[in-house]
Amino acid sequence: GAVVSQHPSWVICKSGTSVKIECRSLDFQATTMFWYRQFPKQSLMLMATSNEGSKATYEQGVEKDKFLINHASLTLSTLTVTSAHPEDSSFYICSARDFETGQGSASSGNTIYFGEGSWLTVV
Amino acid sequence: RKEVEQDPGPFNVPEGATVAFNCTYSNSASQSFFWYRQDCRKEPKLLMSVYSSGNEDGRFTAQLNRASQYISLLIRDSKLSDSATYLCVVRFAGTALIFGKGTTLSVSS
Repeated sequence: GAVVSQHPSWVICKSGTSVKIECRSLDFQATTMFWYRQFPKQSLMLMATSNEGSKATYEQGVEKDKFLINHASLTLSTLTVTSAHPEDSSFYICSARDFETGQGSASSGNTIYFGEGSWLTVV
Repeated sequence: RKEVEQDPGPFNVPEGATVAFNCTYSNSASQSFFWYRQDCRKEPKLLMSVYSSGNEDGRFTAQLNRASQYISLLIRDSKLSDSATYLCVVRFAGTALIFGKGTTLSVSS
């Protein structure tokens, strides 16, 4: 089946530095990717929708200048946490929508595939 | 009001028990419905889609009531391996999945 690879799985960084997380669709083209964040014992919260070749759409309350998203190709989207602070420590996870099966339909959930997630700890 | 609401639990049940989870969603325009399973510190994985006619997959049965905006998941003959967090998820056409907070299930021997 379709696979989404996310890297790195774990990262520890110093406060004030930037961290880049990559999300790749390995065997399908993903025109749309979604970035979520999950704090302990909380739900996955959508941060932004990333569309290939255009600017990402951010959810209310998510700082676009702090969480930079780039979706330069049909198989890669990156999330950069800039000037990270301890409160940014969280589980970040991407999902990708299969361009072929998702096209022109309401789509079922099995056309959205999740990466393995990235644990970010800012110290 | 939150878009997707679930009882967080935890539900602590013995092996072999039957357990039911409920979920409500606020947006009547929601078009697709799912149950996902999330293990500790892992990504969520699709358990099953949910249809108005109800659907069953082995020990798991899901139901959707659009009029009441209510989704349920029934697990029969619980196994130790069923211990996880179960996420109720809705989706509008072509958009991102919206997750509930999850219901934690712990099955003990």
